[in-house]
Order: sequence, then structure tokens, then C-alpha cells
Amino acid sequence: AQKVTQAQTEISVVEKEDVTLDCVYETRDTTYYLFWYKQPPSGELVFLIRRNSFDEQNEISGRYSWNFQKSTSSFNFTITASQVVDSAVYFCALYSPGGTSYGKLTFGQGTILTVHP
Amino acid sequence: GAVVSQHPSWVICKSGTSVKIECRSLDFQATTMFWYRQFPKQSLMLMATSNEGSKATYEQGVEKDKFLINHASLTLSTLTVTSAHPEDSSFYICSAFPLAKNIQYFGAGTRLSVL
Repeated sequence: AQKVTQAQTEISVVEKEDVTLDCVYETRDTTYYLFWYKQPPSGELVFLIRRNSFDEQNEISGRYSWNFQKSTSSFNFTITASQVVDSAVYFCALYSPGGTSYGKLTFGQGTILTVHP
Repeated sequence: GAVVSQHPSWVICKSGTSVKIECRSLDFQATTMFWYRQFPKQSLMLMATSNEGSKATYEQGVEKDKFLINHASLTLSTLTVTSAHPEDSSFYICSAFPLAKNIQYFGAGTRLSVL
């Protein structure tokens, strides 16, 4: 069985602070993909990043960066110099291409991030 | 990124009526689409997998006669909530899965309120 755990239910920071959202996953598959999605108050899930299990390189995109460590089964997301517009619910998710669960994502519980001005 | 359109974004209906929600992939073909339900401050709960040209696969505990799914083309899946009741009020989200990308793209969601 697959599982994604986002231990932080809610995080509150002040603008310009850095914030890290944790994600720990469980899977027996050797080939899998990890994702982060952002869900602003409007409700739409916005795709942020996909990482495959064979690529452990960290990635940076503007103020966003992701740290993927297979040794600890973690895929953490850091926002540098947070802004009010970053306030949203962030979901970490896992997908394994093999087996009968074609295309299905396993979602974490989500982390509510609130950035105060 | 790929675009998924979901319509309507908000619907209010009377108890006992049926409501249809559309999910369209605008710039790609999707043999597989997914329907989720989300309660306030909770994660997404997968309801069913919609397969083009075949019957949908429902998750355990989801009433297939209550939530009818049709995926008649490679760009359109519909979810019909039949004989809606107040407990069906929720946020429904669809997603589409372009085969080549291994990424699910989501619609903007539909807020259903049943009075």
C-alpha cells in the first residue's frame, strides 16, 4: 500500500520568512513519481512539480525549491521569502505507473499555509 | 501546462434533482479522467476513475447509481449526481491524465449546494 504523510496540518508565517513543508512517502515500487500541488482559496489544484524516483536532484524554481531524498523517503518543499499570495493548501502526492492503479494519485492530508503581511 | 475545464463552477439545486458536472481536457486527449470529492479542510477523496469508452471504476463506498459517470469522448467526462440530497453538498474536482506526461491536471472544481 502507498501512503503520503504531511505531518504539518497548518503553518503560519510572516511575509518574507522562509518556510518548509514536509512530505514523507511510503511505497514498495521502485518506479514512482512525486508531486506537489497548490490549492489556493479559489479551489483549483495547480501543478507545481513532478519528480521521478530515479532523479534525486534538487530543483529550484524562483522562490520555490524541492529536496528529494530517497534515503529518508522525503520530498520537502521550501518557499523562500514567502509572500501573502503563497497562502494556500499544499498537497504532496505519489503515483506509481505499475499495477492496476493506473494514473491514481495518493495524496497527503495537505498543509494549510498562511502568510501574514 | 495542460488545461482542464470544469463546468459549472458553482451550482445550487433543490433536494431530489439531478446535477451534471462536465470535465473537459482542452488541449490534449485523456483516456483516463478522475473524479474527486473534497470536504472543507480535508484532502481529496477519489470517487472514481473514468475510462473513455468503458465503464467507470468506482472506489469502495461510492454509490455508482448515485454518481453516474460517462466518458464518451477523449476530451469529455461527466459526473451526474442523481437525486441529490443535502449530504451530497461538497466540492467536486475532476482531473485528466495525459498519457505521455504522467501528470494529473485538475479542473477548477464545482461547488455543489443542495437545499
